[in-house]
Amino acid sequence: AQTVTQSQPEMSVQEAETVTLSCTYDTSESDYYLFWYKQPPSRQMILVIRQEAYKQQNATENRFSVNFQKAAKSFSLKISDSQLGDAAMYFCAYRSLNTNAGKSTFGDGTTLTVKP
Amino acid sequence: DSGVTQTPKHLITATGQRVTLRCSPRSGDLSVYWYQQSLDQGLQFLIQYYNGEERAKGNILERFSAQQFPDLHSELNLSSLELGDSALYFCASSERPGGFSGNTIYFGEGSWLTVV
Repeated sequence: AQTVTQSQPEMSVQEAETVTLSCTYDTSESDYYLFWYKQPPSRQMILVIRQEAYKQQNATENRFSVNFQKAAKSFSLKISDSQLGDAAMYFCAYRSLNTNAGKSTFGDGTTLTVKP
Repeated sequence: DSGVTQTPKHLITATGQRVTLRCSPRSGDLSVYWYQQSLDQGLQFLIQYYNGEERAKGNILERFSAQQFPDLHSELNLSSLELGDSALYFCASSERPGGFSGNTIYFGEGSWLTVV
């Protein structure tokens, strides 16, 4: 079974600076998807960014980018020019391409605080 | 707005009671997932349906059951409720259960269940 580990329960960053959230995962599969979700105080789960494992190029969405290291099974999220609205819990998630196991496995989350 | 609709948004009930949570997936999505998020915890996968059939089962208690109807909406039934069942229950949907396309899972806003 796949596992996802987020080793940083809490992180903080100064407004306008850059922060990196870590995620590692364990799988025996070669093709899969990885996601970062943001959960603000409203508790809604918002997709931030996704990465296809077969793509070598790291995904980027505006101020959010990932560092995907397939061999190391690492998938970190970098937030540039941090804003107060970025404060939330961030979840890393793994999704198999196996049609019989399409559920996503989530890490325990990292709470990000943004200081003004 | 993810397009996934959950009702009710909030629910307070007594121990021993039974409740039903309802989910309408995004238009065109055939797969529905249920997750449980207890206070300050990550997401625990409960169950997945695809086009009316159960596809994967996670840590779902025997007191809980779910189904997906022909119109693709899904219901999660929670019975003999205990205090520990208090949580945020998410429904999510995707186009397909797995595979390269339609692999992103979109979440509803969740149903807050409080058992007193």
